[in-house]
This record gives sequence, structure tokens and C-alpha cells, in this order.
Amino acid sequence: RKEVEQDPGPFNVPEGATVAFNCTYSNSASQSFFWYRQDCRKEPKLLMSVYSSGNEDGRFTAQLNRASQYISLLIRDSKLSDSATYLCVVNVNYGGSQGNLIFGKGTKLSVKP
Amino acid sequence: DAGVTQSPTHLIKTRGQQVTLRCSPKSGHDTVSWYQQALGQGPQFIFQYYEEEERQRGNFPDRFSGHQFPNYSSELNVNALLLGDSALYLCASSLMVGGYTFGSGTRLTVV
Repeated sequence: RKEVEQDPGPFNVPEGATVAFNCTYSNSASQSFFWYRQDCRKEPKLLMSVYSSGNEDGRFTAQLNRASQYISLLIRDSKLSDSATYLCVVNVNYGGSQGNLIFGKGTKLSVKP
Repeated sequence: DAGVTQSPTHLIKTRGQQVTLRCSPKSGHDTVSWYQQALGQGPQFIFQYYEEEERQRGNFPDRFSGHQFPNYSSELNVNALLLGDSALYLCASSLMVGGYTFGSGTRLTVV
């Protein structure tokens, strides 16, 4: 079983649609959770951190359910510029070290006019 | 404020050759991590350096080795290149406790 699993995608949606990404993780020791965005042939960039209380940044809402080991990202009123691959990421810290980021495979989103 | 700088940006090598990739971390960052991203996959953790030592390692063979210098910059070396080593190699820098900043990567093609 992969450590971080995401919807396989791709998602093709019209402008203005609401789209939801789902992700599960297997390591219960995971301590930090993130969504990254990666444009074609570019490096991943942090979109937002994810907290148990849920957090929102404009049109983006992220949720974390530690009991279910489940993470979600909701994009409302999608724009053409939201087209990218969305990566679910967890960080497992090992005994005071920085830990390392474990990435899902990513879900590609294409927003069409 | 310069971000993470990686060189070269693109590289073509022949099977069996050796390659060295370089990374300069973001100013003030002391930890460097390397990732391999094959086409259509998420980045996979290779190893992490802090205080010039390898602190953690992912599931990669010994052909992959690295180094961190006193100025926190880092190198990734891959020996005996295989076709399957073709990928985007990403460097990420961070403080020991803190967020990661990724470089734009080195795209390695093995022919």
C-alpha cells in the first residue's frame, strides 16, 4: 500500500465549477500535512498547509481527519489558472529530525473555458 | 532573496556514466533534501543532509550518494546510470524546523 494515495484523475471541469480532491495516508505518525501545486515541467509549490480544524484561503478549503487518515482539498469557482497537478503531501518527523515529505502521485486538474 | 538554485537545468547522459547535480539552498536554510520525480509520478525522497551528514535516506540504491558542504550547498551523485534514472531531480531546502522551498530541478535524461 502506498504511503499517500490520491484520486487518480485527471479531472476536467468547466470554469466556475467546484472540484474536490481526496487523499489518504497510511502512516499514523504523520505530523504535518500539505497540498502542493505543480505546473507542467515546474517544481512543486506549497498551496496550503492542512490543519485538523480545517483551513480556508480564498477559494481553497483544506480539511484533515486524523482518525480516518484522510485529507481533502476543495476548490470553488475554479479558474483557468487553477489548471495544474495537485499533490497531497505528508511529513513524518523521526525523533527530532526534520522528517521528510512524502508525496502522493498527484491529481491533474484541467479547467476548460 | 535568492531561492533554491539547481544546476544544470538539463542534462543528457549515457547508460553507465556518472552524474553530479548541484544545489544551493535558500539563504538561511541549513537542511537540503533531494527528490526524484519520474514522469507522471509524485516526487520520491532520496536523502536529506544536515550539518554535512546524511540524516535520512529513502529507498534508493547505493548508486545514489550525496554531500553537503560547510556553506550548506549540496551535491547529488548517481553512478552507473540506468535508463530508469531519467527523471526530474528536485532539491528542497529548509531549516531544521520549518517549511521547504524547492528548486526548479534538473531534468536528467539517460540514453
